Amino acid sequence: AQRVTQPEKLLSVFKGAPVELKCNYSYSGSPELFWYVQYSRQRLQLLLRHISRESIKGFTADLNKGETSFHLKKPFAQEEDSAMYYCAPPVTSGTYKYIFGTGTRLKVLA
Amino acid sequence: DTGVSQDPRHKITKRGQNVTFRCDPISEHNRLYWYRQTLGQGPEFLTYFQNEAQLEKSRLLSDRFSAERPKGSFSTLEIQRTEQGDSAMYLCASSLVTGVTGELFFGEGSRLTVL
Repeated sequence: AQRVTQPEKLLSVFKGAPVELKCNYSYSGSPELFWYVQYSRQRLQLLLRHISRESIKGFTADLNKGETSFHLKKPFAQEEDSAMYYCAPPVTSGTYKYIFGTGTRLKVLA
Repeated sequence: DTGVSQDPRHKITKRGQNVTFRCDPISEHNRLYWYRQTLGQGPEFLTYFQNEAQLEKSRLLSDRFSAERPKGSFSTLEIQRTEQGDSAMYLCASSLVTGVTGELFFGEGSRLTVL
């Protein structure tokens, strides 16, 4: 079964420090990968998708096919980045469901 | 607000009762998804529709769960004979997919509490 692993449930960093949120997936192929974010009292929303290669709110994510990882990075964390982050690589076997990781809560401390 | 809307936002029911949740997706979106989320977990896939066709159901979706999208627009998720383990946030998302995949737009969720 396809699995998505986000090893850290909670990540605390100080404002201005670099951030890396880890995501590993269990299947091979050329998946399109997404990161979703949920800010306090808001709905889950797209942060970025691998295929577009955009940088959103200073975040980037690099797909490493060899390690099957899609870690989310930001060089300088801001307090407003505090949120739940979910990695979501879609299945590529002809079905288009999205499997989400268990999420990482990022706390950016002043 | 033209986003995904879900109703009701919160439902409290007694064990054994039936509940129904409704999801109104973004109007031009062709795919609609249902997820369940419990505390400390990410969203768990339940089922999805391409227009009115239900294309996939998770094994999490027992016989007590049924979902419909009768005209390819809104969708309902019904849980019969609710159990305490059904208590969760039920999330709906929609997507416009013209190629392989598309961004999911989520609703605010319907929280179910089974007493």
